[in-house]
Amino acid sequence: GESVGLHLPTLSVQEGDNSIINCAYSNSASDYFIWYKQESGKGPQFIIDIRSNMDKRQGQRVTVLLNKTVKHLSLQIAATQPGDSAVYFCAENNYGGSQGNLIFGKGTKLSVKP
Amino acid sequence: KAGVTQTPRYLIKTRGQQVTLSCSPISGHRSVSWYQQTPGQGLQFLFEYFSETQRNKGNFPGRFSGRQFSNSRSEMNVSTLELGDSALYLCASSLGGTDNEKLFFGSGTQLSVL
Repeated sequence: GESVGLHLPTLSVQEGDNSIINCAYSNSASDYFIWYKQESGKGPQFIIDIRSNMDKRQGQRVTVLLNKTVKHLSLQIAATQPGDSAVYFCAENNYGGSQGNLIFGKGTKLSVKP
Repeated sequence: KAGVTQTPRYLIKTRGQQVTLSCSPISGHRSVSWYQQTPGQGLQFLFEYFSETQRNKGNFPGRFSGRQFSNSRSEMNVSTLELGDSALYLCASSLGGTDNEKLFFGSGTQLSVL
């Protein structure tokens, strides 16, 4: 079936460096993508989203890039801080399904070294 | 504005028992979705409710059921518990009015089946 996957299960970066977390999706019909951050003991927290009619979207210290040609999504975190340590999930809408049905990737664990 | 509230936070049950989990969405949100999160399978969609009606359902057996009340609060029930049902059960809410909406998650109910 269709699925969203992540290239790297773990990522370790130095505090202050930029982080890039990648995600591949297989459903070319998906038109909405979200990045979530999940800290230990908490539910996923919305970071940023992007629709398929956009290539790039910026938030506070975060940027999401969408490459529909190769079905690739990335999350860039600028000046990574210890508080950014968490598991990051990309998710795509289940095209053809109704609201509230997102397909999540397996997650990438980001560790920030002080 | 209060976030998504899930109760109880932790639950321990034995095989064969049944369990009911509760979710209160963000005020004004009419859509409630449920997800199961396990280390092996990641986040998997269970079902979604809107205006007291189940709009979408994932690939889970009939032992998993849910409902939504007129105030948008939702419950999910798992009957005849199996060891494999041990997981973090997450509830998410959204306004429910359009196809592509960000979901806001609660902290989840950690269910352990012994």
